[in-house]
Amino acid sequence: DIVMTQTPLSLSVTPGQPASISCKSSQSLLHSDGKTYLYWYLQKPGQSPQLLIYEVSSRFSGVPDRFSGSGSGTDFTLKISRVEAEDVGVYYCMQGIHLLWTFGQGTKVEIK
Amino acid sequence: QVQLVQSGAEVKKPGSSVKVSCKASGGTFSSYTISWVRQAPGQGLEWMGRIIPILGIANYAQKFQGRVTITADKSTSTAYMELSSLRSEDTAVYYCARVQEAVVGFDYWGQGTLVTVSS
Repeated sequence: DIVMTQTPLSLSVTPGQPASISCKSSQSLLHSDGKTYLYWYLQKPGQSPQLLIYEVSSRFSGVPDRFSGSGSGTDFTLKISRVEAEDVGVYYCMQGIHLLWTFGQGTKVEIK
Repeated sequence: QVQLVQSGAEVKKPGSSVKVSCKASGGTFSSYTISWVRQAPGQGLEWMGRIIPILGIANYAQKFQGRVTITADKSTSTAYMELSSLRSEDTAVYYCARVQEAVVGFDYWGQGTLVTVSS
């Protein structure tokens, strides 16, 4: 299985400040079709997860532009340009290149 | 508008089985896959497996091979996840999630079903 490793595991951010989460995969997520199967999800407290970013850097419908994704191969980053109170929760990266999909451990983001 | 509505909470005895349903509305059921993801209390997300309804083919995470069965009923647009030989560590919230395009990933999720395994 592909192992997804996120750092840090927790983050405390002042509102209005930026935040960054790293995700590393044990194998390249670049498919022979030229696409990279890396996603980011946010699980707000008490809710189901929701899709933020797909294919490394594409924001899903309705996702604010303060969220951005970058990276390639095995190293990826999710950035929040200015954290807002509603951004608290646990962020997960996930790979979809292998038949059997796997998540990172999650990064808990809280507001200072 | 796409919705995935799951069945209600369950309490099961160790060694028994549980079957959770996920009814889809909006969209064309046969045009996407349904995965099941679980989350133990205070823990992260864990992908369990998927069903491709149009083909009736399922794939399972190695951890659950032999204990989980994912099926789909195209006539009712409903997917099912059955987990057998339950143990206390299977206490978790179980989510279904839809994939219409693999590169997009899980675009819609169910509300989650709490399964409690306790003697």
